[in-house]
Formats: sequence, C-alpha cells, structure tokens
Amino acid sequence: EVQLVESGGGLVQPGGSLRLSCAASGFSLSGYWMHWVRQTPGKGLVWVSRISSEGIAAYADSVEGRFTISRDNAKNTLYLQMNSLRAEDTALYYCIRGAPFDHWGQGIVVTVSS
Amino acid sequence: EIVLTQSPDFQSVTPKEKVTITCRASQSLGGSLHWYQQKPDQSPKLLIQFASQSLSGVPSRFSGSGSGTYFTLTIDSLEVEDAATYYCLQSRSLPYTFGQGTKLDIK
Repeated sequence: EVQLVESGGGLVQPGGSLRLSCAASGFSLSGYWMHWVRQTPGKGLVWVSRISSEGIAAYADSVEGRFTISRDNAKNTLYLQMNSLRAEDTALYYCIRGAPFDHWGQGIVVTVSS
Repeated sequence: EIVLTQSPDFQSVTPKEKVTITCRASQSLGGSLHWYQQKPDQSPKLLIQFASQSLSGVPSRFSGSGSGTYFTLTIDSLEVEDAATYYCLQSRSLPYTFGQGTKLDIK
C-alpha cells in the first residue's frame, strides 16, 4: 500500500526556517516525480514544488530562491527546506506522488507568525 | 500561468440528481486535466485522470470529458457520500494550477 507521511511542520517566526519531511512507503521515490502542494482557506490548493525522477527541481515563483526540494532515495524520503519564511507561507502542506497527483499525504501544518 | 475557472462555486443538490461541474482553462491543455474530490478533514483524492480516464476504486457514477480548454466532471445519480469539494488540476505546464473548487452540498 502506498503511504506518504509528512512531518516537521509547526510554528515558526517570520524569517525563520523549517524542513518538512515526507516518508514514503509501498513504492520507491526514485521512480516517481514528487510534489509539494499547499492549501489555505483563502488561496485554495497551490502547487509549490516538484522534483522529477531524474532529480530536476522546479518551484512556484512565490517560493523560488527560498524553498529547496530534495530526496534521499536510501531513506525513501522527500524533503522541503523552507527558508526566509513569510506569513503568507502559512498553510497545510501536502506531499504528493506522481503526475497526475495520484497519492497524497495527510498534510502537515506550517504556521508563520510572531 | 494557466488559469482554471470552475463553475459553479457552490451547488446544493438532492440525492439521485445528476451533477455537472465545468472547468475552463485559459490555454489549451490537450488532455492534461484531472479531477479531485476533497471531503472535510481529508486529503484530495484523484477521481478522473487525463480528462476522461476512470480509475480503479472510483465509483462508475463519476465520469469526465473534454479537451483543449473545456472540461466537465459528471456525477450520475448523486449519493449522500458525494458531499465534498471538487477541484480540477492541469498538468500541461508548470506551474501546475488548480481550479478554485466547487463545493457540493447535499440537501
């Protein structure tokens, strides 16, 4: 069974950093494109970042230069390093497999506030 | 960036009713349009991929059609459990974008 479990969220001050992790099971991360998507009541679902099976990363303009997506194939884990966090980064963050997005994690809350 | 506009934003429907949700794209997507269902406090679930491809485990009352810039999700004979918000997603080009969502309320 495919499972994606996010961790690492929480409350952080503006300008701070967090690293989200997504532990995958039931499949090998290295064979799939993987994504991060965030959701807020105001903006709905917004794509954040992608890493291809070849390891090529892409980012939304709003996070380019501040967020970094990566994966550890040995640990079968996806990461999202988030730096210079802003209030508008506050959201529920999902780890997602594939294109289209066929499996989603349960989501992890990130709150950026002083 | 490709903009997806769903219609309607909200619909109150009765069980056994047929429901159609539309998704219009600002540029041609070919067939790279997918539909998701999100119930309260749950993650979105893929219902239809590539405009019209059904998926194992998804009830047959859900179907999709369309290409280019106009797509529809149809729910035949709505059931109470179909109360949810439905989203379209385009994977034609980066950044991937979602529609704003259509909330279905069951009367």
